[in-house]
Amino acid sequence: AQSVTQPDIHITVSEGASLELRCNYSYGATPYLFWYVQSPGQGLQLLLKYFSGDTLVQGIKGFEAEFKRSQSSFNLRKPSVHWSDAAEYFCAVVPLTGNQFYFGTGTSLTVIP
Amino acid sequence: EAQVTQNPRYLITVTGKKLTVTCSQNMNHEYMSWYRQDPGLGLRQIYYSMNVEVTDKGDVPEGYKVSRKEKRNFPLILESPSPNQTSLYFCASSLGTERQPQHFGDGTRLSIL
Repeated sequence: AQSVTQPDIHITVSEGASLELRCNYSYGATPYLFWYVQSPGQGLQLLLKYFSGDTLVQGIKGFEAEFKRSQSSFNLRKPSVHWSDAAEYFCAVVPLTGNQFYFGTGTSLTVIP
Repeated sequence: EAQVTQNPRYLITVTGKKLTVTCSQNMNHEYMSWYRQDPGLGLRQIYYSMNVEVTDKGDVPEGYKVSRKEKRNFPLILESPSPNQTSLYFCASSLGTERQPQHFGDGTRLSIL
């Protein structure tokens, strides 16, 4: 079945530490890929997107993501986490042949001072 | 300011009492959609619209209706709300091509008693 998986429900990191949030998808062909962030009480904000080309994508707020076709993954990374990064992070895909957005179940990030 | 506006932001109502959640965008976007967000399930698409008078079902359309009579508005209608529709709802819009990232409203929290 087609799906978007975020294996980590919750992650805790110390401020200044590096971060990697995982996202795996299962679709026939590489879909369009997105990462969004949701701060408490807010809507979702786009961090970055991947359609094609360079597999390392830079986004806002110092985030980047790497697309790995062989692993069907699109993991989000940040070299040094700030307390303000505490939020919920969602991976989303749009299959090449469709018009629907599919979201993962989200990863909640806690940042320890 | 470019934005997606949802109203109301909060609503507590009773089973069976028809309600409408309005959504309006000022970015001249063709694509609009509705999502519900539930703990542990992420965001699930309810309906989407690729243009005026064109709407399609998402993953969880049961119990909901939508209409797209004008480009800027995309109301979500619950004809006979039930407690299992208690959720956080988001409206989103994007540029003409459906695979463009979506801009989200701030959400509407519905409680159906």
